[in-house]
Amino acid sequence: DAMVIQNPRYQVTQFGKPVTLSCSQTLNHNVMYWYQQKSSQAPKLLFHYYDKDFNNEADTPDNFQSRRPNTSFCFLDIRSPGLGDAAMYLCATSRQQREQFFGPGTRLTVL
Amino acid sequence: GNSVTQMEGPVTLSEEAFLTINCTYTATGYPSLFWYVQYPGEGLQLLLKATKADDKGSNKGFEATYRKETTSFHLEKGSVQVSDSAVYFCALRIPTDSWGKLQFGAGTQVVVTP
Repeated sequence: DAMVIQNPRYQVTQFGKPVTLSCSQTLNHNVMYWYQQKSSQAPKLLFHYYDKDFNNEADTPDNFQSRRPNTSFCFLDIRSPGLGDAAMYLCATSRQQREQFFGPGTRLTVL
Repeated sequence: GNSVTQMEGPVTLSEEAFLTINCTYTATGYPSLFWYVQYPGEGLQLLLKATKADDKGSNKGFEATYRKETTSFHLEKGSVQVSDSAVYFCALRIPTDSWGKLQFGAGTQVVVTP
């Protein structure tokens, strides 16, 4: 089945230690999104790629970066995680402006 | 600006009860409207959608009708099951937004008891 895959499902890191979260898709969608979702809140868009074009949301901290080496993969890099970055990170994809398909998420814990 | 307002939860129901989750929106132009469901510890799944006024989206016994006159997209299910316990998000997308960005409501937790 075509899908959006996120690895790992659970990630533990230490305060200030860089961490990378991974997203891959078999849907061949040209748009990929990264969301941050804190407990009992709606997902908050961090940034997205339209093909290779990177689009950062205005309020996304500089601590968060992203890479998209090819159509299938997208990475979220947190350069110096703080306690406030503990959250669920959701990857989503879409074809052009159509509906978004979400991965299962990665739960990040910062110690 | 664009925004989505959902009724606050948690909504607690007994099995086989009728469920309604209210959703209203503010948007420029003619948005597409969505309901996503999130089960505990999981990502979001698209439940249903509607792209123009008077469209009715339906899936798994859930329905929602795009009401332009009341700017609403209320979610309903006639007989809920314990397995429907989840958080439900209403969302809109502006068609002229070339990135397809979604504006989410705050989410409504639904708890169905046996």
